Amino acid sequence: EVQLVESGGGLVQPGSSLKLSCVASGFTFSSYNMHWIRQAPKKGLEWIALIYYDSSNKYYADSVKGRFTISRDNSKNTLYLEMNSLRSEDTAMYYCARGYYYRYWGQGVMVTVSS
Amino acid sequence: DIQMTQSPSFLSASVGDRVTINCKASQNINRYLNWYQQKLGEAPKLLIYNANSLQTGIPSRFSGSGSGTDFTLTISSLQPEDVATYFCLQHNSWPTFGSGTKLEIK
Repeated sequence: EVQLVESGGGLVQPGSSLKLSCVASGFTFSSYNMHWIRQAPKKGLEWIALIYYDSSNKYYADSVKGRFTISRDNSKNTLYLEMNSLRSEDTAMYYCARGYYYRYWGQGVMVTVSS
Repeated sequence: DIQMTQSPSFLSASVGDRVTINCKASQNINRYLNWYQQKLGEAPKLLIYNANSLQTGIPSRFSGSGSGTDFTLTISSLQPEDVATYFCLQHNSWPTFGSGTKLEIK
């Protein structure tokens, strides 16, 4: 069974940093591109980052470019999102999702940026 | 960015009803559209990919249609377990999402 489990969320102050993890199981993690997607409270879903299966390419939404970094460790079946210079508008549920078809998603992890 | 306009935002129907949810793209996305179901506290579940392909394990009462800019998700006979929020995703270019339809049983 494919599983994606996010962790690392929490309440942080504006300007601070946080690193999210997404542990994958039930499939060959190193064969798939991976995404981070978020949903702010009472707002729509927003794709924020993509990393290729071999980390050769990374892409970001303009809203997070220069502040967030996507990475992965295929030996640990783990996807990461390092978030710096956090703003109140980064408050959201963050999901990881697998592959070209976005076929599988995790349950999400909440990040709240507030003073 | 391609804008996805989803309607309705809220839908109340009876068990056994035929239900339709629509997504309209701001430009041609061919058939690069997925439909998801999300129940409270759970991960989104892929129902339909490439506009009309049923994901393995999804009941056949779910179907998708459309191409270009207009797409429809149909539940042929609504069941109590279908209470959820449904949303579309286009992946013709950088992905964008519909705003969601909250479906309840009348």
